[in-house]
Amino acid sequence: GENVEQHPSTLSVQEGDSAVIKCTYSDSASNYFPWYKQELGKGPQLIIDIRSNVGEKKDQRIAVTLNKTAKHFSLHITETQPEDSAVYFCAASRNDYKLSFGAGTTVTVRA
Amino acid sequence: GAGVSQSPSNKVTEKGKDVELRCDPISGHTALYWYRQSLGQGLEFLIYFQGNSAPDKSGLPSDRFSAERTGGSVSTLTIQRTQQEDSAVYLCASRIGGTDNEQFFGPGTRLTVL
Repeated sequence: GENVEQHPSTLSVQEGDSAVIKCTYSDSASNYFPWYKQELGKGPQLIIDIRSNVGEKKDQRIAVTLNKTAKHFSLHITETQPEDSAVYFCAASRNDYKLSFGAGTTVTVRA
Repeated sequence: GAGVSQSPSNKVTEKGKDVELRCDPISGHTALYWYRQSLGQGLEFLIYFQGNSAPDKSGLPSDRFSAERTGGSVSTLTIQRTQQEDSAVYLCASRIGGTDNEQFFGPGTRLTVL
């Protein structure tokens, strides 16, 4: 099955700086890569996703890049704000319906 | 509109007891998932329902775990003879189906087995 590894497990950044989270996947047939944000006491929420036919996707301060050859993808958050503090999960899927999640990254934005 | 709801929000039980966790998906969503989130871990897939198709039970960790979805809407996850290692947050998600991939998660049920 698919194995998704996520790094780092924790990330502390100064407000206004950028944050980068990296994930690798094992199944070369995976073609869908979403990122979820989980705030304390809540369920995860989709923030951005990318398909394997696209190398980069951007939505305001967040962007995701995908390198199919190396089987890794990354989340970039620019101009971080306190409300960006949360746990972020990457995931990969080969069939659209079943996601394999990384272990999560706890992001703390220092004021 | 209403999102995915789960009940109870917290459940404390004694080892060996059975528990039932409930999920109410978003109305009209044909796909429903159960995940388990242990402390500091990612989401572990348990089971997937899609319409009237046979569910994908490949993630259920043991035969003590079962789930059903009645009338294509509400789902119940049952854990029999609970063990301490079952302690975790159980998350439910629903998806509208078809080519739309986004899964909408409920707030989860925190299960503690003493």
